[in-house]
Formats: sequence, C-alpha cells, structure tokens
Amino acid sequence: QKEVEQNSGPLSVPEGAIASLNCTYSDRVSQSFFWYRQYSGKSPELIMSIYSNGDKEDGRFTAQLNKASQYVSLLIRDSQPSDSATYLCAGYSGGGADGLTFGKGTHLIIQP
Amino acid sequence: EPEVTQTPSHQVTQMGQEVILRCVPISNHLYFYWYRQILGQKVEFLVSFYNNEISEKSEIFDDQFSVERPDGSNFTLKIRSTKLEDSAMYFCASKRYQETQYFGPGTRLLVL
Repeated sequence: QKEVEQNSGPLSVPEGAIASLNCTYSDRVSQSFFWYRQYSGKSPELIMSIYSNGDKEDGRFTAQLNKASQYVSLLIRDSQPSDSATYLCAGYSGGGADGLTFGKGTHLIIQP
Repeated sequence: EPEVTQTPSHQVTQMGQEVILRCVPISNHLYFYWYRQILGQKVEFLVSFYNNEISEKSEIFDDQFSVERPDGSNFTLKIRSTKLEDSAMYFCASKRYQETQYFGPGTRLLVL
C-alpha cells in the first residue's frame, strides 16, 4: 500500500497563473507534512511544512492540510518559470527520529 | 546560512568494492539521516541516527550498509560490497528537534 501518493504529471501552468499540487497519504503517515522542491539532479529543498489542519501561507506559497480526507496540497500563486521543478510531498509518523516518506513527486512546468 | 555538505559529489566504483560517503550536518543539529534516490524514482529513507546510535532503518538498509559519526562533525555511510543496484544519488539530511530536515547536495554513486 502506497503511503504518499502524487500525480507525477507533468502539470503545465501558464506563467502568472496558480499552480495546484496535490498529495494523499495513508494512515501510517499522518503527523507532519512537508513540500520540497527538487530541480533535476539536485537535492530536495524545503518549501513549506504544515502540521495542523487548515492553510499556511508563506509568500507565494500556500500549503493546505485536511487530515479527515488525508489530503495535502500546495498552491503556488503568480507562477514563474523558475518554479518549474519536481515538487515532492513528504510526511512522517511522528517521533524525533523517524525518516520521511516521500511521494514520487509532481513535475511542474511553468510556460512563459 | 548553515548548510549540510557532502563529499564526494560523484563517486564511481567497481562492483564489490567498498565506498564511504561523507556528510557534515549542520553544526547544532541532533538528528541525522541518509536517503537515496535511484534515477527517475522517489527519494527513499535509509537510516536515521541520534545520540550516537541508529534510531530507525528501512528494509533497504541491510548488512551491507553501516553508518558512523567518527567525530563531532562527520557522519558517514559505508557500503561494504557495492552492487549495480546501489547506483543512486545519496542524500544526507539533518535536523535539530521536531523540525524540518535539511538536505545536503548529494553524492552521485555509480557502480560499474
């Protein structure tokens, strides 16, 4: 049973529009969630973390968590070509030492 | 801004050889991790390390793998007898407490 699922894409969005990225998770991964951005050949770079139900905004990024639906999303407003990357959703079950469980990532393309 | 560093950036080895991948976590961080990412696949957790011992390991982290913190700054991953399927990008990560994990730039390992 997959623990963190994402649509692999590619998701193509025009420059300046809102990009919406989605992630679902299983019961085992249920505590805290993270969105990382990964450029090709590079390491994951943290975008947002979210721990409780609702929305969390940071600049052009908004993370949304719905624990009842086991759903996490990331909205990117005013999308820029530099936002083109693979976006990884990750979570862990809690505890100080658990490793993150990642989804396969959604490849986002921002069209100029 | 402090960051996780990894050496070497690239490593080519022959099947059956031992390799040691090195990481210097962020200096005040307490939890250390190794992940791998096979080309085109998702990031996978290998092992977490806290208080000078392994906290958690995945099924991937078998007897061929070991980790060590030989001094106050380095954190190493050793693969005793490499296999072709060990070819991947290996990422080190660290965190302070119940916070986000920060990833190093990775070591690309190629086993021939």
